[in-house]
Amino acid sequence: DAGVIQSPRHEVTEMGQEVTLRCKPISGHDYLFWYRQTMMRGLELLIYFNNNVPIDDSGMPEDRFSAKMPNASFSTLKIQPSEPRDSAVYFCASSPHSSYNEQFFGPGTRLTVL
Amino acid sequence: QKEVEQNSGPLSVPEGAIASLNCTYSDRGSQSFFWYRQYSGKSPELIMFIYSNGDKEDGRFTAQLNKASQYVSLLIRDSQPSDSATYLCAVRPKLIFGTGTRLQVFP
Repeated sequence: DAGVIQSPRHEVTEMGQEVTLRCKPISGHDYLFWYRQTMMRGLELLIYFNNNVPIDDSGMPEDRFSAKMPNASFSTLKIQPSEPRDSAVYFCASSPHSSYNEQFFGPGTRLTVL
Repeated sequence: QKEVEQNSGPLSVPEGAIASLNCTYSDRGSQSFFWYRQYSGKSPELIMFIYSNGDKEDGRFTAQLNKASQYVSLLIRDSQPSDSATYLCAVRPKLIFGTGTRLQVFP
C-alpha cells in the first residue's frame, strides 16, 4: 500500500509568494494532521482534520496559513504571503479511526522562503 | 518551561549497551505518551506508546511512565548502530512533541 504522499518534496520561493503544499493520506484513514518542523521549535502540530472537518487549528501560526480538506483523499496547506521564517519541513500524517494514536507520516515538504 | 522537554544530546553509547532516553512534561492532565524515531532527513515513525504508570516492553524497547514525577523514558537494550537517530517524545491530548534527543550508537 502507498503511504502518505506529499508534494512537492522541495519548494523554494521568494518572500511574498503564495505556497501550496499538498497531501494525500492513506486510503481509509479518518484523521489527517499537518505539522511543521524546525531546529529551534521542533515538531509542531498546525491543524488536524477528522472526516474532512477541521477539529483543532490552534497551532496555525497566523492568518497567512490556511488548510483545507475538500475530500477524504486530499488536503492542502497554503501560505500567503510567505515569509523567510516560514522555512521549515512540513509533514502531513494520517491515522485510522481504529488506531487514532498511530500516525503515519509522509516524507515531508522542505520549504525555503528566500 | 517547555511543555515537553528532552535533552538534545547527542547521547553516545557503545554497541550492545542500553540507551536511556528521558522526557519530562509539564501538563499533569497528559494522558498518553509516545516515542517516535526520526532518522536524519526522514519522517518520524512511531516506536511505541504508553498510557499507564509502569513499564511497557516491545522487543528491545521499554517505555517507562511515572505520572507522579511527570516523566517518561525509553530504554533501548542491545543498542545497534542502526538505532542511531533522533528520538521524539510526544504527549496527548494536545499532541505536543519534544525537540528530540539525538542518539549515536558506535561500533
